[in-house]
Amino acid sequence: GQNIDQPTEMTATEGAIVQINCTYQTSGFNGLFWYQQHAGEAPTFLSYNVLDGLEEKGRFSSFLSRSKGYSYLLLKELQMKDSASYLCAVLDSNYQLIWGAGTKLIIKP
Amino acid sequence: GAVVSQHPSWVICKSGTSVKIECRSLDFQATTMFWYRQFPKQSLMLMATSNEGSKATYEQGVEKDKFLINHASLTLSTLTVTSAHPEDSSFYICSATQGEPDTYEQYFGPGTRLTVT
Repeated sequence: GQNIDQPTEMTATEGAIVQINCTYQTSGFNGLFWYQQHAGEAPTFLSYNVLDGLEEKGRFSSFLSRSKGYSYLLLKELQMKDSASYLCAVLDSNYQLIWGAGTKLIIKP
Repeated sequence: GAVVSQHPSWVICKSGTSVKIECRSLDFQATTMFWYRQFPKQSLMLMATSNEGSKATYEQGVEKDKFLINHASLTLSTLTVTSAHPEDSSFYICSATQGEPDTYEQYFGPGTRLTVT
């Protein structure tokens, strides 16, 4: 079966750095997405990785290791507005997006 | 660019009635549209995938006769919840992909919150 694992909830302090991990086991791989979803709102795109390595975009970076079936989202200089759920999703061999359950990130002052 | 709208943003209906939700791609032609449902504190659950002019592909466990999907044009898809019941109360979100070059990124609508009383 297809499976994506990410922690259910994480807590971090404003101004700090947090890393949200995602491991996956899917039938094929055509890329991995990270989305941010604030409560009561639709997801918004953060990043897309298809090759191994680190992609940096401002305060957010995303890393991928295809051989390990592993990705992480790194958030730096945390702000209160970063409190949200972060969804990891993998595009499988049929180009279907398989969603993780999401990680709720709580930022404390 | 790549904006997706949904209408209505929220709706309250009585049990047994039907509700139609519209999903539009405003500034691009959507080759594929997706319908998701999300219950409180849970992740997105894909309900169906639709391509313009063809029948939608429903995920296992989703009743196609209850959740009618019509993808009549490259910019519009509709989801009709027929004979709605309180257990259908949820957050319904659509998304769309626009084809080359951003073939697989899904652009999400703002969602529709349905409450069935």
